[in-house]
Amino acid sequence: GAGVSQSPSNKVTEKGKDVELRCDPISGHTALYWYRQSLGQGLEFLIYFQGNSAPDKSGLPSDRFSAERTGGSVSTLTIQRTQQEDSAVYLCASSSEPGQGKTQYFGPGTRLLVL
Amino acid sequence: DQQVKQNSPSLSVQEGRISILNCDYTNSMFDYFLWYKKYPAEGPTFLISISSIKDKNEDGRFTVFLNKSAKHLSLHIVPSQPGDSAVYFCAASLNAGKSTFGDGTTLTVKP
Repeated sequence: GAGVSQSPSNKVTEKGKDVELRCDPISGHTALYWYRQSLGQGLEFLIYFQGNSAPDKSGLPSDRFSAERTGGSVSTLTIQRTQQEDSAVYLCASSSEPGQGKTQYFGPGTRLLVL
Repeated sequence: DQQVKQNSPSLSVQEGRISILNCDYTNSMFDYFLWYKKYPAEGPTFLISISSIKDKNEDGRFTVFLNKSAKHLSLHIVPSQPGDSAVYFCAASLNAGKSTFGDGTTLTVKP
């Protein structure tokens, strides 16, 4: 498909384990965003990529969270030593370029449950 | 401190009537505002946006109004349809498209 895809769609893990979440943006989109939505909450910004660099990492909640993007395309969000409070839906979005007026297209999200 | 607030967690409207969803923000530096719609188990989809230089933007049944002095925006849907039932998120953008989202309002349109 031509949309943003994310994998896995669901992930259940045990507290203390590491998880990797993947995002495939729309082909050609240079800007990529990661958000997190906890139960009953709005979307919380985590990190933004322009190409392979991350000008804004201000939303990462702790040093257990990291993200990378390679080839200006696929991005992975890694959570080390997961905690129960990390349970949330992790959403990825891409846009043709960063900036106002550039619509962000969201993937379906990865539902992470940390037991 | 939550910078974007949607104070109504839910709204129920009869089909054919107007739905009005409200959003307040605190950061006067925000200069671009968006509304997203989200169905269960799907990612949000862009609905409509407005730049801070405007006070109204209309797209079909959807109109967004911005009152900068009150730091308030609203989304009007008229006429409302059952397929509009979803969670609506208000978002405000400062730069580079990074958006700050409200907690969402669940709209139910009853047939």
